[in-house]
Amino acid sequence: GAGVSQSPSNKVTEKGKDVELRCDPISGHTALYWYRQSLGQGLEFLIYFQGNSAPDKSGLPSDRFSAERTGGSVSTLTIQRTQQEDSAVYLCASSPSGTVENIQYFGAGTRLSVL
Amino acid sequence: QKEVEQDPGPLSVPEGAIVSLNCTYSNSAFQYFMWYRQYSRKGPELLMYTYSSGNKEDGRFTAQVDKSSKYISLFIRDSQPSDSATYLCAIPNSGGSNYKLTFGKGTLLTVNP
Repeated sequence: GAGVSQSPSNKVTEKGKDVELRCDPISGHTALYWYRQSLGQGLEFLIYFQGNSAPDKSGLPSDRFSAERTGGSVSTLTIQRTQQEDSAVYLCASSPSGTVENIQYFGAGTRLSVL
Repeated sequence: QKEVEQDPGPLSVPEGAIVSLNCTYSNSAFQYFMWYRQYSRKGPELLMYTYSSGNKEDGRFTAQVDKSSKYISLFIRDSQPSDSATYLCAIPNSGGSNYKLTFGKGTLLTVNP
């Protein structure tokens, strides 16, 4: 079956613009996650969705970052007034619920460059 | 102290070598331990996971957990150029917050033909 799909794969934007990143999880996966991967920083947790609710938003770095999920499926991560330090690869992952080990399946990511 | 520490390398080995990749962690409550592999410009993919202490083997790959030392390892036997990637250890929180994976920073491995 199809894996996690993210779009766009690359995004170049100017400082101060807003951007939207999209994630299509694996069909039937109720849990969805966003991570940020920067050079030398590893994967940084941003937000976790269970269905359409986000019980953990603790990793969002500032109020310029927001995310939503609709229909228990597609999720959008929005960054307002982008800054150069927002340049990174944004990864989305999904997992089925009810598993103790919580294996997460990742998309290929959106590479964001803020000029 | 970070919850999960991983030597970032880079590590460069000749084809056929045995590779050892390692992570240490600080929380003794951790129960599951994972290794992800990430090729350049791709997302991480799960390679192996283990529960509690012991070894788990899958083909050329062996994952080892030593809970007494809070040390996890991934061994690759007969390494191939196709194994060239970044390897990340990942550990889910225990209990109700097991949705949260803590990743090591990743070790970049290059296997030279």
